[in-house]
Amino acid sequence: NAGVTQTPKFRVLKTGQSMTLLCAQDMNHEYMYWYRQDPGMGLRLIHYSVGEGTTAKGEVPDGYNVSRLKKQNFLLGLESAAPSQTSVYFCASRDALSYEQYFGPGTRLTVT
Amino acid sequence: AQSVTQLDSHVSVSEGTPVLLRCNYSSSYSPSLFWYVQHPNKGLQLLLKYTSAATLVKGINGFEAEFKKSETSFHLTKPSAHMSDAAEYFCVVFSSGNTGKLIFGQGTTLQVKP
Repeated sequence: NAGVTQTPKFRVLKTGQSMTLLCAQDMNHEYMYWYRQDPGMGLRLIHYSVGEGTTAKGEVPDGYNVSRLKKQNFLLGLESAAPSQTSVYFCASRDALSYEQYFGPGTRLTVT
Repeated sequence: AQSVTQLDSHVSVSEGTPVLLRCNYSSSYSPSLFWYVQHPNKGLQLLLKYTSAATLVKGINGFEAEFKKSETSFHLTKPSAHMSDAAEYFCVVFSSGNTGKLIFGQGTTLQVKP
């Protein structure tokens, strides 16, 4: 039981490049979330999903897209990376009947 | 709207002395509250949670927190700090509704001096 995993762990992009971050969970959770963490701001919600095939915007969705084609996977895409997207990205999942979210180890992204 | 405010961005204690990390919340109804810990370059780990049961909640590694409705507070405490407690701590409120998202405080960095 791996819990929540994220790929890759680190990435450096040039401005304008694109990439996809993968989140996978093996707990059969309905809900999945993408957060970004910036110094002094805690974690902020980018997008979330309440089930396979569904996605919705969070607090800071601009510049990101997501997809949930399979229940266990939640993908976060950056179509044209900007330096403002330099951050640490965390994925989380939870069961529909629980308040607790389980977090992945994070992806550190630098955009130059 | 729900929110949490962590009153200190940085707390420094000596090893073996008590730890107090302060958190106030804002909610129009009884909230579900959490404390998460993040060690350097690591993910987030749940320390403890309050979900309207006992107001004094015990967590892992000797931490506990008390829910005080009259003061809208959920402060985190530990009787005796250990060097391994040095980390960033987040007070978090669960947002009800369809999103089920977590709303994070800004974080408190705990420094433990030998």
